[in-house]
Amino acid sequence: DQQVKQNSPSLSVQEGRISILNCDYTNSMFDYFLWYKKYPAEGPTFLISISSIKDKNEDGRFTVFLNKSAKHLSLHIVPSQPGDSAVYFCAASEEGGSEKLVFGKGTKLTVNP
Amino acid sequence: EAGVTQSPTHLIKTRGQQATLRCSPISGHTSVYWYQQALGLGLQFLLWYDEGEERNRGNFPPRFSGRQFPNYSSELNVNALELEDSALYLCASSFGTGSQPQHFGDGTRLSIL
Repeated sequence: DQQVKQNSPSLSVQEGRISILNCDYTNSMFDYFLWYKKYPAEGPTFLISISSIKDKNEDGRFTVFLNKSAKHLSLHIVPSQPGDSAVYFCAASEEGGSEKLVFGKGTKLTVNP
Repeated sequence: EAGVTQSPTHLIKTRGQQATLRCSPISGHTSVYWYQQALGLGLQFLLWYDEGEERNRGNFPPRFSGRQFPNYSSELNVNALELEDSALYLCASSFGTGSQPQHFGDGTRLSIL
């Protein structure tokens, strides 16, 4: 049973445009959500997180939106840059993040110059 | 600030042997997590240590075990290695409990021949 789903295995966008990566979850006990970026041969790098008491969090070019009623979150990258090309993982946890993370299978983002 | 460091980078073993993987968390972080990423699968939670105690474990057999030392570094031990244990093993650390992101090392690639 996959509790965190990233239904798009890949996404291709032009440099300067917006990238929108989506994630759905089924476990209503999740209360902390994170996005990670992963380059080949490296570990995941933390990008941005959001607590379930918020519906939006921004950090520079990255914004995460949370829709609790739809059990859906998205990551917006504006403007997209070629260096953003990587695999993006959505993750979720219960109990404020101190518990295990449950990961989606990732979306490979390609930003074309 | 040094990130999470893992050793060795690569480890080659044969079936039935035992493997030991090591992790040093970010300075000040007290929680250490272990994840397995097998080929074609997402990151699967293995173990969580905090203040020297095992706090939670994922759906893995008992031959996966570990410990956390007084300096918060950690070892993951895998006994009676099987071919299916071939995977990337990632260690993460976080600062205490609550809504704190986990930060990952670059992993140990374990190959079973």
